[in-house]
Amino acid sequence: QSVLTQPPSASGTPGQRVTISCSGDSSNIGSNTVNWYQQLPGTAPKLLIYSNDQRPSGVPDRFSGSKSGTSASLAISGLQSEDEADYYCAAWDDRLNGRFGGGTKLTVL
Amino acid sequence: QVQLQESGPGLVKPSETLSLTCSVSGFSIGSRYYWGWIRQPPGKGLEWIGTISQSGTTYYNPSLKSRVTISLDTSKNQFSLKMSSVTAADTAVYYCARTIYGSGGYFSDSWGQGALVTVSS
Repeated sequence: QSVLTQPPSASGTPGQRVTISCSGDSSNIGSNTVNWYQQLPGTAPKLLIYSNDQRPSGVPDRFSGSKSGTSASLAISGLQSEDEADYYCAAWDDRLNGRFGGGTKLTVL
Repeated sequence: QVQLQESGPGLVKPSETLSLTCSVSGFSIGSRYYWGWIRQPPGKGLEWIGTISQSGTTYYNPSLKSRVTISLDTSKNQFSLKMSSVTAADTAVYYCARTIYGSGGYFSDSWGQGALVTVSS
């Protein structure tokens, strides 16, 4: 059972906006930043959002992140078929232990 | 552009020790940042195994700590994972990754492609 809680699945139609939530506690999300990873089928995870709301170079601005208290969210606007993937939230706790969410499988209908 | 590549046996017998190496190119692992291992059992989510700093300080998942050792070899620009007493539950794709500190937090910005390790007799 993952320390960070995500919905197992999410879906949307092309062009729609979808959000994925991530819930933690005071030892992880509540006191540290949140990162999001995208994992396309058969590939390694790719950093999508870091430090709650920062996008690495090359990540489209359709992807955005936010954090409030012990929860965080990933939003994808203008949904595209190539966004179909697994999405994981992650946070480091105060002892530099890594924590991942269980992952959310995004389906583009 | 930093690149990471995992290598090691793809098949390990139960009760034996799993050994993997991550070769890093494009960056000196002894200069800065953190280097770690994450695994993903087939069809399941990601699990953090542990991380080592450029100075050799280690951080391990409490649930795996008694069986895991991560070490650095700066002369070869590699870092390694050893996991003892493996069982079928340790069957997974193992990823190595670089973790950096920036914008107020830690994040893993570069990952290897992953290595499948199967535990079976």
